[in-house]
Parts: sequence; C-alpha cells; structure tokens
Amino acid sequence: AQSVAQPEDQVNVAEGNPLTVKCTYSVSGNPYLFWYVQYPNRGLQFLLKYITGDNLVKGSYGFEAEFNKSQTSFHLKKPSALVSDSALYFCAVRDTGFNDYKLSFGAGTTVTVRA
Amino acid sequence: NAGVTQTPKFQVLKTGQSMTLQCAQDMNHNSMYWYRQDPGMGLRLIYYSASEGTTDKGEVPNGYNVSRLNKREFSLRLESAAPSQTSVYFCASSGYEQYFGPGTRLTVT
Repeated sequence: AQSVAQPEDQVNVAEGNPLTVKCTYSVSGNPYLFWYVQYPNRGLQFLLKYITGDNLVKGSYGFEAEFNKSQTSFHLKKPSALVSDSALYFCAVRDTGFNDYKLSFGAGTTVTVRA
Repeated sequence: NAGVTQTPKFQVLKTGQSMTLQCAQDMNHNSMYWYRQDPGMGLRLIYYSASEGTTDKGEVPNGYNVSRLNKREFSLRLESAAPSQTSVYFCASSGYEQYFGPGTRLTVT
C-alpha cells in the first residue's frame, strides 16, 4: 500500500525567509511524487513532480523539491517565501508497483507567510 | 481549453435527497477521479475510472455511485444523502499528474 505523511500541520515563516514543507512516503515499488497547492475556495494546483532522473526538481512559482530515496522523503522548498505563498500544500505519491493511476495524498500543511 | 469543470459549485441537500455531481475534462485524459476533502484528512479517493468504460472503488465509496459517460465526462451520484457526506468534492483527470476541478461544496442537513 502507498501512503504519505506530512508531519507538520502548520508552517509559519517570515517573508524573505526560506520555506520548507516536509513529506515522507511509503511505497512497495518506485514512487512518483507530486506537490500541489490549494488557495482558499479553489481546487488543487499542480506545483511539481518527481518521476525519474535528477533528484532535485523545479516547479512553478520558484518552488523546488528534493527526492531522497534513502530517507523516503520529498520535501518542498522555496529559498525566499512570499506572503502570496500562504496556502495549503499537499504531497502525493503514486506507487509504480501497481498498475493503476491512483494517488495517495497527505493530510496537508498550512503555510502562513507573515509580512 | 477549460481543463476540468464541475457543476454545481454549491449545493444544499436534505437528508435522503439524491443528486448528481457532473465533471468534464477537455485534456483527452483516460483517467478520471472523484475525491472528497474534509478538514485535517486531506483528499480521499471515492471512485476512479482508469479508462472509458471502467470504474473502480477508492478508499471511501460507500453511499456513492459513478458513471463514466464517455471519455470526457465522469459523474458522481449520491442516492440518499447523509450528513456525513457534507464535504467538498473534487473531480480530477490525469496524465502523469492530476488536474483538478474547482470543487463542489455540498452541505447535507
């Protein structure tokens, strides 16, 4: 079975500081990993994905994430946070060991960036 | 290119009433999904359709039915709504990554 854990319900940072949102996963095969962002009263927007290749992936709005197979982690990072980055962030995993396309989502991390 | 569209945006039902949530995508994706989002629980998969003509249960299928009408459309039906089905419902379609609709906020009283 595949699963994702986001250990922090909330992350608070000052504008201009680095932002990190943590994610760990569990799969039986190899993972496809994803980050999504949700602004209030909106659907989820895709930020970035890891499928294969370079462990550091870059995505939308200046976000990046690092795949670490030994630690089964895929933490989302941004070097300098903006107030507009305040939102709900979801990590998701797909286990390529199964022949379906289902994603499992973490419970979400609320990011608040203060001015 | 509208992506994934959902109707309605809001709905209030009384216990025992039925309704159908509509979803359509214009990205020519084979796979489509229905999720519900509840506070602190992330997104939970209700049903999915890997391709036209097939549907499968997800984590929380009880109380719901789905129809994959054609490649574009995937509907979710609540036959007899219960207060526990108060939630925000999202439809998604996918290639590698999933693309989400704007959601339907459903309240069952």
